[in-house]
Amino acid sequence: AQSVTQLGSHVSVSEGALVLLRCNYSSSVPPYLFWYVQYPNQGLQLLLKYTSAATLVKGINGFEAEFKKSETSFHLTKPSAHMSDAAEYFCAVSGGKGAQKLVFGQGTRLTINP
Amino acid sequence: DTGVSQDPRHKITKRGQNVTFRCDPISEHNRLYWYRQTLGQGPEFLTYFQNEAQLEKSRLLSDRFSAERPKGSFSTLEIQRTEQGDSAMYLCASSLLGTTYEQYFGPGTRLTVT
Repeated sequence: AQSVTQLGSHVSVSEGALVLLRCNYSSSVPPYLFWYVQYPNQGLQLLLKYTSAATLVKGINGFEAEFKKSETSFHLTKPSAHMSDAAEYFCAVSGGKGAQKLVFGQGTRLTINP
Repeated sequence: DTGVSQDPRHKITKRGQNVTFRCDPISEHNRLYWYRQTLGQGPEFLTYFQNEAQLEKSRLLSDRFSAERPKGSFSTLEIQRTEQGDSAMYLCASSLLGTTYEQYFGPGTRLTVT
């Protein structure tokens, strides 16, 4: 079984500051991990994914995430926040190759202050 | 690649009525998923299809819910005798078997039961 915990339901940073969104997972099998972004009244857009290759994963819009097996973490970072990054971010886990459903965290709402 | 589309985008219905939603996946994708997202929560898995076969259903999918994918292309999700607790965003996603299983989401159908 898989589960995801996102620490912090709301994160607020200043424009140009570092963005750090935390995600810890639990999985009984080697996981695949994903970060999605959701803008108001829209579906989810894939930011990046970890599928057992490189542990540092680069995604769209300058985001990246590092898979740390020892810490069961997959935190999302961006060196310099932009106003357009304001959105809801979801971390998700699946049970690796051949798995079907995604299990999502509760989400983190990112606010960018000018 | 036109992406995943869903219809309608919004549906308001009275308690006790039946509603049906449609999802058109990315054309070559053979897996199709339905998720439900309530306010302030991450999406929760409902069911998924591989081609026309429905391979897994969540316990969230009560007897009032039925999903079909008759020709392995588009899918429908029907809710019978709607209840206020059914109010949510219903998200559809698709993926391609044999890849890294990232799921691509549609814009969702927001259901309001009055």
